[in-house]
Parts: sequence; C-alpha cells; structure tokens
Amino acid sequence: DAGITQSPRHKVTETGTPVTLRCHQTENHRYMYWYRQDPGHGLRLIHYSYGVKDTDKGEVSDGYSVSRSKTEDFLLTLESATSSQTSVYFCAISDHRGPITDTQYFGPGTRLTVL
Amino acid sequence: AQKVTQAQTEISVVEKEDVTLDCVYETRDTTYYLFWYKQPPSGELVFLIRRNSFDEQNEISGRYSWNFQKSTSSFNFTITASQVVDSAVYFCALPLDDMRFGAGTRLTVKP
Repeated sequence: DAGITQSPRHKVTETGTPVTLRCHQTENHRYMYWYRQDPGHGLRLIHYSYGVKDTDKGEVSDGYSVSRSKTEDFLLTLESATSSQTSVYFCAISDHRGPITDTQYFGPGTRLTVL
Repeated sequence: AQKVTQAQTEISVVEKEDVTLDCVYETRDTTYYLFWYKQPPSGELVFLIRRNSFDEQNEISGRYSWNFQKSTSSFNFTITASQVVDSAVYFCALPLDDMRFGAGTRLTVKP
C-alpha cells in the first residue's frame, strides 16, 4: 500500500471557522491531489500540486486553498467553513507524468462535518 | 462535453452470479486513459485497472474482466462468480484536464 496518511480522520467544526486538513506521503511522489466525495457526485478534484509550491485548481476549488512547502505534505485549508463543505475528503498521490496518465493512490479519507 | 457516466446507481445480485458494471465516457481527445477504482464499505479507494485508449484488448484478472470499446465509448467491468466481498461502490474515471470520476455504482452481493 502507498504510504499516505491523512489527519485528522474525523473533524466536526462550526460554520465560519478555519479548518486545515493534512496529507502526508512517504513515497516521494511528485503529484498530490485533494478530492471531495459527496453522494451522487463520485469524487471531485479540489486542487492538485505538481511540485513544492506548485499548485493548480480543480473542478471545485472555490472556498479552498492549498499549500505544499515540502514534497511529503499537502495541506488543504477551508478559510471559513460552510455547511456545504461537509464531505469526505481524500488525498491522493501519483508519480510520473501527472493527472492525465498516472494511476493515483488514495489516502484513507477525512470525514468533515460543518455545523 | 467531456464526462463519465455510470448509469447504474445500484445493483444487487446473489453470490455466484456474474455482474457487469457499465461505464460510458465522452471525450474529444484521441489519447486518454481510463480507470476503475473500488471503494469497499470500509471507505478506502482501491485501484483496479488503468487502460490507455490505444489498447482495446480485453483485460482479465482473476474473476475480474474489463471490456474496452472505443466505438461505443464504453469501458465495462464484469465480475464473474461474484462473492460477498465484492460488495462495494465501483468508480470509473477518465482524466482529462483533471480527473473526472463517474458517480459510482453500488454493488451488493447477497449470500
């Protein structure tokens, strides 16, 4: 199994508070991704990173920011959480050429509830 | 539009039945990759297969097989002699400018 951990695994927070989710990998893979999973929508890409300090937006990036200061860590921040951001968040990693061609390997997920 | 459609929201079968999960995609690209992932009740996402658009040969891995047909833009997944452990949500995915997943098919295999 790919060495990917996510923290926290569960979080309950209140509307308007900032939240940061962390993804940590031990595989030294170049690409890292954040997805959200909601019923009826499959997984949707929020942001991804193609290197340290290099990031790009995905399909549903509004309300989220990311940072990658080290190869192994990719942070997802909700600056002011809203109830619509209640979801399960998955981190993924890949190596080689990027999101179009690579197999992505997923972390265990973080269940976030915004009250 | 570029997208992935899994029209079967839920399928229920009895153990040992064969079952096919459909995946239909749309893309204007001539070179692309398709994926299947499994999400068991425990919640993790497990990679099953990656296929590029130049390889239309059917793939078989144990009880799992995949039928890729560019002519009908389909990449269907068949489980032969299903088992209770096959119960999961299965996602088809097509990376374009980013990774696009289908909405998933929930398969329930009853003993």
